[in-house]
Amino acid sequence: AQTVTQSQPEMSVQEAETVTLSCTYDTSESDYYLFWYKQPPSRQMILVIRQEAYKQQNATENRFSVNFQKAAKSFSLKISDSQLGDAAMYFCAGGTYKYIFGTGTRLKVLA
Amino acid sequence: DAGVTQSPTHLIKTRGQQVTLRCSPISGHKSVSWYQQVLGQGPQFIFQYYEKEERGRGNFPDRFSARQFPNYSSELNVNALLLGDSALYLCASSLERAGGLQETQYFGPGTRLLVL
Repeated sequence: AQTVTQSQPEMSVQEAETVTLSCTYDTSESDYYLFWYKQPPSRQMILVIRQEAYKQQNATENRFSVNFQKAAKSFSLKISDSQLGDAAMYFCAGGTYKYIFGTGTRLKVLA
Repeated sequence: DAGVTQSPTHLIKTRGQQVTLRCSPISGHKSVSWYQQVLGQGPQFIFQYYEKEERGRGNFPDRFSARQFPNYSSELNVNALLLGDSALYLCASSLERAGGLQETQYFGPGTRLLVL
């Protein structure tokens, strides 16, 4: 069975500062993807970043980067230079064809 | 290119009724997945179809069924609606990669179903 755990229900960050969202992913699969999705109030699920489990190099997309520690089953998202538009629910997800989602972290960005 | 589209955007039904939700994948994507997202929770996997065949099914009752058409669009049907079926239903499409590992799933805007 696969499990995804997000232990931070809510986080706050000052505009222009850096914040890290945590996630743990446990699976018996040898090859899989891990994702962070953003869901604003419109509830549209938007891909933020993707990490392939077999790749040692951590993924980066502009202000967003991940820290994937496979042995520790840890997959955190770092948002640098936070902007007001980053405020949303963030979901960690993983899997092969069937994605398992965490319970989400609500990120508030303070002006 | 157009993204994943879903219809209708909102739907209100009463208990016991049946509902059909529709999804059109991104052009070139042959795989379609359905997820249910209850308010305050993360999405839960319902089905995936690839090349018109069911690839996987989540822990949902037989009241939930789906199919995929030759143009890769898909329908999700839910019979005998219960109050607990009220949720956002998300459709996602993806490319298939050699070896079975898929590319990223891209989500549509969802259909909000309210069961009264």
